[in-house]
Amino acid sequence: SQKIEQNSEALNIQEGKTATLTCNYTNYSPAYLQWYRQDPGRGPVFLLLIRENEKEKRKERLKVTFDTTLKQSLFHITASQPADSATYLCALPNYGQNFVFGPGTRLSVLP
Amino acid sequence: SQTIHQWPATLVQPVGSPLSLECTVEGTSNPNLYWYRQAAGRGLQLLFYSVGIGQISSEVPQNLSASRPQDRQFILSSKKLLLSDSGFYLCAWSTQGLAGIKNIQYFGAGTRLSVL
Repeated sequence: SQKIEQNSEALNIQEGKTATLTCNYTNYSPAYLQWYRQDPGRGPVFLLLIRENEKEKRKERLKVTFDTTLKQSLFHITASQPADSATYLCALPNYGQNFVFGPGTRLSVLP
Repeated sequence: SQTIHQWPATLVQPVGSPLSLECTVEGTSNPNLYWYRQAAGRGLQLLFYSVGIGQISSEVPQNLSASRPQDRQFILSSKKLLLSDSGFYLCAWSTQGLAGIKNIQYFGAGTRLSVL
């Protein structure tokens, strides 16, 4: 089954800067990849999905890239705000109707 | 619109006691249903998933079991809790579909279980 690594457990950046989070997977390239946001004590919330044939996907200040050669997805938050502070998880379809989630990166945007 | 309900929000149980966590989904039919556990500061571990009534697949052999008595109801149970069962339990649903088709997961608010 897939194994997912996310570049760092925690990331601190200054407000207004761009945050870049990394998701690397080890096995076969999936048909799509998802990013979720999780606030403390809450369930994850879906943010973006990018398909294997899409190089880039944008939603407001969020941008996701998907490089199947590198087996990597990058998640960018531009003009970051303290309200963006949360844990961000990437997820891949595993088999059948299953998913596997990465361990997450805890982002702190400092005012 | 679809909603997912999970209760209770917090639970403190003694070791050896039974467990029953319930999850219900509204506004959709024949969803895929999932139970995850998240240890403190860790990622999501898939425990069980179900693609239909009475159909349960277990991902991790352990002290827990799951049942799906109705289309939109998913129950996580244990006969005797262990200390290691403590964690944050999340129920989720997604639409049925072929692999490769958009399949977003929608999560409940979670249950914080402390086994003492």
